[in-house]
Amino acid sequence: EAGVAQSPRYKIIEKRQSVAFWCNPISGHATLYWYQQILGQGPKLLIQFQNNGVVDDSQLPKDRFSAERLKGVDSTLKIQPAKLEDSAVYLCASSPLLSGEVYGATNEKLFFGSGTQLSVL
Amino acid sequence: QKEVEQNSGPLSVPEGAIASLNCTYSDRVSQSFFWYRQYSGKSPELIMSIYSNGDKEDGRFTAQLNKASQYVSLLIRDSQPSDSATYLCAVTGGYSGGGADGLTFGKGTHLIIQP
Repeated sequence: EAGVAQSPRYKIIEKRQSVAFWCNPISGHATLYWYQQILGQGPKLLIQFQNNGVVDDSQLPKDRFSAERLKGVDSTLKIQPAKLEDSAVYLCASSPLLSGEVYGATNEKLFFGSGTQLSVL
Repeated sequence: QKEVEQNSGPLSVPEGAIASLNCTYSDRVSQSFFWYRQYSGKSPELIMSIYSNGDKEDGRFTAQLNKASQYVSLLIRDSQPSDSATYLCAVTGGYSGGGADGLTFGKGTHLIIQP
């Protein structure tokens, strides 16, 4: 089974530039998440999609971050303009469960991609 | 705001000993609890999940959950140098009651197994 694909693996930009990350979830997974992991911290949820709809974007800095999942499959996360504090690893994850379903009722789990490491100079 | 607290460490444990990692969470109605292992430069890897009070064992790993105390722990028996990593506690479920809602992670505990 193919895993969650992300690209690019690394990206270096200067502050105020824009950047985009791409994610292709595991085939058939309805739910897709974008997490931000700053060095020394745990992943922080930025946005959650179910198919092509947003379930939760309460922690997404909407003045500079945007994300879409137009066809309910792959997704793009964009930062414009980037700030120094955006330097982090951006992780994409997918799950076959739908919002409201409980992990404990099945043996499903969250699958992470390898992440995109962003350095803003 | 849901919070998950972990001691960042580093926690140093001799090879062959038991490593004990702890986590507390703020949302009393949380339903699902996970331990992820993360090696430097890699993405998190699920090692244990637990959903009900008590202990759950899988090989050298035991997860313990006490919902009354809002406390989750992970024990690693016969610790090996390859267990050296950051261990992330994650929690989901709560206000919306949804298990498929995004996980809230702690900052992680850096574990070092000394040969």
